[in-house]
Amino acid sequence: NAGVTQTPKFQVLKTGQSMTLQCAQDMNHEYMSWYRQDPGMGLRLIHYSVGAGITDQGEVPNGYNVSRSTTEDFPLRLLSAAPSQTSVYFCASSYSDNTEAFFGQGTRLTVV
Amino acid sequence: GQQVMQIPQYQHVQEGEDFTTYCNSSTTLSNIQWYKQRPGGHPVFLIQLVKSGEVKKQKRLTFQFGEAKKNSSLHITATQTTDVGTYFCAGPTGNTGKLIFGQGTTLQVKP
Repeated sequence: NAGVTQTPKFQVLKTGQSMTLQCAQDMNHEYMSWYRQDPGMGLRLIHYSVGAGITDQGEVPNGYNVSRSTTEDFPLRLLSAAPSQTSVYFCASSYSDNTEAFFGQGTRLTVV
Repeated sequence: GQQVMQIPQYQHVQEGEDFTTYCNSSTTLSNIQWYKQRPGGHPVFLIQLVKSGEVKKQKRLTFQFGEAKKNSSLHITATQTTDVGTYFCAGPTGNTGKLIFGQGTTLQVKP
């Protein structure tokens, strides 16, 4: 199994540009989440989904949009990138909120 | 909202010394999970604790869940260079589907 696949691995954006971080899982997990990781801040939850068609905000949702049209995919959209969004982004999936989360390899995003 | 705090933020030890990281939640948790992230890598699940007062061991790693289910600890006996990385605790927020992580403890081991 591929598990959780994130693309791209690296990305440089100019301020104001938009882009979509892709996340796909092949484990038929209902729960999917996006986290950002910054030095000293740990993993902060951006948005999450408990199934296709259902999404909700996490701790730091501003500047990000998500949608979940299929069980497999959970893309994260940056509508107008800002330098404060420079971070490492991780997508995760799990069978439920009480089972282990599987993480993708991460996307390192730099906004200049 | 629910907060999960971890201390210390960083720990440098000599190889062979013990290491402990502590995790505290502002609310009672149904379970607590621990993850390890190697430098440059992604978080990988280590273990889940569910019962009040539960203690689980994985070789040199000992995990404890507090009686009140609001705190937890990870203890590594006789650290090795392979233990280097950041250790995170995480707890679910009720039945919402949210998994909240602590800030992590980064362990450096000097050979």
